[in-house]
Amino acid sequence: DQQVKQNSPSLSVQEGRISILNCDYTNSMFDYFLWYKKYPAEGPTFLISISSIKDKNEDGRFTVFLNKSAKHLSLHIVPSQPGDSAVYFCATNAGGTSYGKLTFGQGTILTVHP
Amino acid sequence: GAGVSQSPSNKVTEKGKDVELRCDPISGHTALYWYRQSLGQGLEFLIYFQGNSAPDKSGLPSDRFSAERTGGSVSTLTIQRTQQEDSAVYLCASSLVGSEYEQYFGPGTRLTVT
Repeated sequence: DQQVKQNSPSLSVQEGRISILNCDYTNSMFDYFLWYKKYPAEGPTFLISISSIKDKNEDGRFTVFLNKSAKHLSLHIVPSQPGDSAVYFCATNAGGTSYGKLTFGQGTILTVHP
Repeated sequence: GAGVSQSPSNKVTEKGKDVELRCDPISGHTALYWYRQSLGQGLEFLIYFQGNSAPDKSGLPSDRFSAERTGGSVSTLTIQRTQQEDSAVYLCASSLVGSEYEQYFGPGTRLTVT
């Protein structure tokens, strides 16, 4: 059973437009969420995170929104740039481990066209 | 470079052989994690080290898998009697204590079992 789901395997966006990547989770006890970005032949890199006590966290062009009632989070990238083309993974601590054991979604491939 | 390094980058082995995968974490990072990513899947947690001890081995898929860490630094993941389903990219990550969710990943080892 997948505790974290990214239902869109891929997303294609025009440069300058908004990219919205979505993630659903199964358990309302999950309390910390993250987005990682991965380029080919490289390991994932941390992008942005949000605690369940918040509903929004912003860092430059990247904003993560958390809807606890819907058990849904999204990553908005505005404006999108060709260099943002990568695989994006959402992840969670799955409800309270005291260390960084993360549960990841399957990833969404974002392609930003010039 | 000061990032996480992994070796080898690629490994092709015959079914039934043993393999060792190596991870060099960022200097000073006491927490170390192993994940694997099978084709089309998200990252799957395998094991967590705090220093040289492994408080959580819950993700190791079978007793053919083992890992150790020495000197609070280098870690090796050993897979005995490899099977075709072990084919995946094995990723190592490290982090500082107190920043466990911001993990720094290596580029991974792509293991192919023929």
